[in-house]
This record gives sequence, structure tokens and C-alpha cells, in this order.
Amino acid sequence: GAVVSQHPSRVICKSGTSVKIECRSLDFQATTMFWYRQFPKQSLMLMATSNEGSKATYEQGVEKDKFLINHASLTLSTLTVTSAHPEDSSFYICSANSVSGQGSYQETQYFGPGTRLLVL
Amino acid sequence: AQKITQTQPGMFVQEKEAVTLDCTYDTSDPSYGLFWYKQPSSGEMIFLIYQGSYDQQNATEGRYSLNFQKARKSANLVISASQLGDSAMYFCAMREPFSSGSARQLTFGSGTQLTVLP
Repeated sequence: GAVVSQHPSRVICKSGTSVKIECRSLDFQATTMFWYRQFPKQSLMLMATSNEGSKATYEQGVEKDKFLINHASLTLSTLTVTSAHPEDSSFYICSANSVSGQGSYQETQYFGPGTRLLVL
Repeated sequence: AQKITQTQPGMFVQEKEAVTLDCTYDTSDPSYGLFWYKQPSSGEMIFLIYQGSYDQQNATEGRYSLNFQKARKSANLVISASQLGDSAMYFCAMREPFSSGSARQLTFGSGTQLTVLP
């Protein structure tokens, strides 16, 4: 399957600082990437859809100014948590769609390994 | 309204046995895709299997098969010959509508924690 990388895998920061998380599609181009947040023992919650060359689409309740998303190229999207606070501590995971052919059109979302953010 | 329902928060299975993880969904669109992902304790989401709403046959991938019952709107995952490494959280997800050129988001169920017993 397609490979999506995410960096860093873990980050610990002080309250008030900003943290940038990178998501890369390594062997395919992704015009759209997705950013999710997951709390312990819970499901993934979509935060925003990142579109290459245009503004991200945020889900209801997600602060645009808090979670800045940039999708500068077909293989890279970044999520910046600005002025992080302890309540922003969570597992952040990105994904990108890869298309397979062979007679049936299929988009499969492949996920990065995730980033564990701890804000002290 | 919840679109993806996984009613089993936790399941146990003996090693080498088969196990079925339940998933029901709700949509009024005839075109949709159903996915199963595995999430081990490391956190990565591993794609397991896909079923398109128009696919005539149930999807299979190695030890994974999807029991797709369209009329009942269910897409249960069957894992045969369970292994200790299968212990993980399993998520069912749906994408709708299924249209060419459209990158659509997934809606996830709440997940089922599977534990394989030695």
C-alpha cells in the first residue's frame, strides 16, 4: 500500500509554544490530506481537510486560528498547533487518499503513524 | 444520527479461532465505500480491507474477509485463524458518496478492542 509519513512521532512542549507536525505522502501525490485527532480509547475525529494550493476546510468546532494547516505541495501538509495548552495534548494523525485502478475505481485513505503531543 | 455503529466495545477470541467484528452503517446514498482499519497500541492506522457498495462479491484479503449484507446495512469483518498479533483496536469506516475525482472524508465507528488469548 501507499506510504504516509508523519513527523515528529512524539513532541513535548511547554504551554504557549507552537508545534508543527508534518505529513508526507512518500510514493504518491495527494491533492487532499486529512487531519484527525484522537483521545485515548476513542475514535478518530476529523479536524480538517487539507487541499493542495487552497485553504483547508475545518470541521465544526475546530478553531482555524488554533490549528493552522498548510498544504504547499502534492506531497506535504503541515498542521501547526499555535499557542498550545494542556488541553491540546492528544494523538494527531494525518491521512491521504491514494487511488488504485485495475477495473474498479477505489480511493483508499492511508494513514501516517501519528504524532503524540504532550503540552506541559 | 450515528452513521457507523460498532456495538462491541471489546471482544475476546482464542488463538487460531475465527472472530467476527460487527459494523452497521446508515446512508441514503447508493454509492459508498466501507473500510476496516486496525490500530495497534502503537497508534498507526493500518488499512485492512475495502468494500464498495456496488461490488458483487464480498471482499477478502488474506485472513480478513468482509461479510457485506447490503440490505441489512452491515459490513462485518471476519478474521480467520486469529493470531496474538491481531490484538488491537479495529475501526469500521464509511465514505460517501463514492464518486470519481472526489476525495471524501471517512466517518469512523467507535471501534472494537480485540484481544486474542493464547
